[in-house]
Amino acid sequence: AQSVSQHNHHVILSEAASLELGCNYSYGGTVNLFWYVQYPGQHLQLLLKYFSGDPLVKGIKGFEAEFIKSKFSFNLRKPSVQWSDTAEYFCAVNERSGGGADGLTFGKGTHLIIQP
Amino acid sequence: DAGITQSPRYKITETGRQVTLMCHQTWSHSYMFWYRQDLGHGLRLIYYSAAADITDKGEVPDGYVVSRSKTENFPLTLESATRSQTSVYFCASKARDGSIYEQYFGPGTRLTVT
Repeated sequence: AQSVSQHNHHVILSEAASLELGCNYSYGGTVNLFWYVQYPGQHLQLLLKYFSGDPLVKGIKGFEAEFIKSKFSFNLRKPSVQWSDTAEYFCAVNERSGGGADGLTFGKGTHLIIQP
Repeated sequence: DAGITQSPRYKITETGRQVTLMCHQTWSHSYMFWYRQDLGHGLRLIYYSAAADITDKGEVPDGYVVSRSKTENFPLTLESATRSQTSVYFCASKARDGSIYEQYFGPGTRLTVT
């Protein structure tokens, strides 16, 4: 079975600081990788996704993530955070061979607080 | 252009009662999913459906029942609610082709079982 581990459960940063949120998954096969964001009181929104090709993926709002296959990692980065980035961030994975029907396996989430 | 909607958005019910959470999508997506979100657990898959009349269990299906008689609807029923089912429930859908691996989430239903 797949599992996703997010190393940081709570992160507090000041505005303009750089951000890196760790995500590791355990699965031996080919996977699709995602980062979702949940702003306070809102539903999940997709930040970025990796299916294949260039392992450095750029998403919305200045976020990017790098897939490192040898490390089973898909860390999320942003060079300069803003107060509006305060949210819950979830890493998720599903099997490429799942045929589309399988759901996502999520990490437990990282609660990010940006201080003005 | 509603996308994916859930109702009710908030629900309080008593232990032992049956409650149904509704999910409706306007995209004619083939796949639909139910997740629950609990502090410290992230989101966990309850049930999913690949098409009308095709459903399957996810990670935490016990105590839940689903049906999918129409492509656009995917109701989740708690047959006899328990306090451990207090959670936020998210419905999601994704298309068969194109962005087949991207799921779109509804706004969630916050359920409290007293």
